[in-house]
Amino acid sequence: KQEVTQIPAALSVPEGENLVLNCSFTDSAIYNLQWFRQDPGKGLTSLLLIQSSQREQTSGRLNASLDKSSGRSTLYIAASQPGDSATYLCAVMYYGGSQGNLIFGKGTKLSVKP
Amino acid sequence: ETGVTQSPTHLIKTRGQQVTLRCSSQSGHNTVSWYQQALGQGPQFIFQYYREEENGRGNFPPRFSGLQFPNYSSELNVNALELDDSALYLCASSSNQGRYTEAFFGQGTRLTVV
Repeated sequence: KQEVTQIPAALSVPEGENLVLNCSFTDSAIYNLQWFRQDPGKGLTSLLLIQSSQREQTSGRLNASLDKSSGRSTLYIAASQPGDSATYLCAVMYYGGSQGNLIFGKGTKLSVKP
Repeated sequence: ETGVTQSPTHLIKTRGQQVTLRCSSQSGHNTVSWYQQALGQGPQFIFQYYREEENGRGNFPPRFSGLQFPNYSSELNVNALELDDSALYLCASSSNQGRYTEAFFGQGTRLTVV
């Protein structure tokens, strides 16, 4: 069964700290991996998309890496700010099956304290 | 460029009723996917529409059905509502031109079944 796991489920850090969110997946035959941000009761905001042929993507203070062989991706947030507080979701698209279907982890709820 | 819009934002229905949720895809996107997100969980894939046809389905019963229109907008219909159908319903649009592009999500429709 193709599953996506995110650890930790919740994280609280002081403002200014650099942090890493983890995502693991059970099947290495991925098509792409996408990181999202979700504010309470809201939709998903796409942060970064990594194609299976790529190792990392960067956008501003965010950097996402992908290691297919180990079934892991990390989202690195530099110099965290209170506005970064949200739930971060990792989603994997696999080859085959219902192609185009994103399989999500349960998310990491991040709280950045001023 | 317009983003993904969903309507309504909130909805309360009685068990056994039927509901229709609507989604307008992002300009230039030809693929629409629907997801169900229960509280504290990651989104679960319901189905996807491409060129007005269902192009993949998750583990949801037939009372969940959909449509895609020539302008690529979409509807999600749920018959015989159950209490467990209470969730945030998310629509995502993307482009399938031989390969899948980044998925963009709407703000969601919060459905409460009483």
